[in-house]
Amino acid sequence: AAGVIQSPRHLIKEKRETATLKCYPIPRHDTVYWYQQGPGQDPQFLISFYEKMQSDKGSIPDRFSAQQFSDYHSELNMSSLELGDSALYFCASSSTPGQTYGYTFGSGTRLTVV
Amino acid sequence: QKEVEQNSGPLSVPEGAIASLNCTYSDRVSQSFFWYRQYSGKSPELIMSIYSNGDKEDGRFTAQLNKASQYVSLLIRDSQPSDSATYLCAVNAGNMLTFGGGTRLMVKP
Repeated sequence: AAGVIQSPRHLIKEKRETATLKCYPIPRHDTVYWYQQGPGQDPQFLISFYEKMQSDKGSIPDRFSAQQFSDYHSELNMSSLELGDSALYFCASSSTPGQTYGYTFGSGTRLTVV
Repeated sequence: QKEVEQNSGPLSVPEGAIASLNCTYSDRVSQSFFWYRQYSGKSPELIMSIYSNGDKEDGRFTAQLNKASQYVSLLIRDSQPSDSATYLCAVNAGNMLTFGGGTRLMVKP
């Protein structure tokens, strides 16, 4: 069965650089969620999209932005990277309503800022 | 206070024993509760969902929900070393899930 696809799997960037993370949801899933998980931390909700519109916003820094495209894939853009942005970034997708039925996570992108 | 609380552990149990993982939540209107398993460096994997008070069994896993006490638990029977992982409790909060800090389970052969 198709899963949530994230790319790249690993990314190393220097401070103040820009990074773009991509997420391809499970086919026919209309909602995408982005989470950030620091070392030893629980996943922290960043932002979600439903039918290409932002639906909820969590603890996403102003330096980050995201969007969902017409094919339902989503991109998380991160600018002016800081050392503290080093984390695992997970994308999850669901068919509505994900908060009722749970959602499926991708394998994640490990971002290292040096 | 976090919206979803879990004991961080580690919880150490011998192989074949029952592992009991607990979670409390603060939002009384929450209706959906999930347990995810996460191996180190991997993504969370949904293993159980529960929506109504009582027990729900799936193989070696049993989820228990008590909405009056705002408490949800996960029992793992006949624990195996491969069950060693971090178990995340998740609760719906509005339109997304909020996760607890996770409990690290170690099953010793």
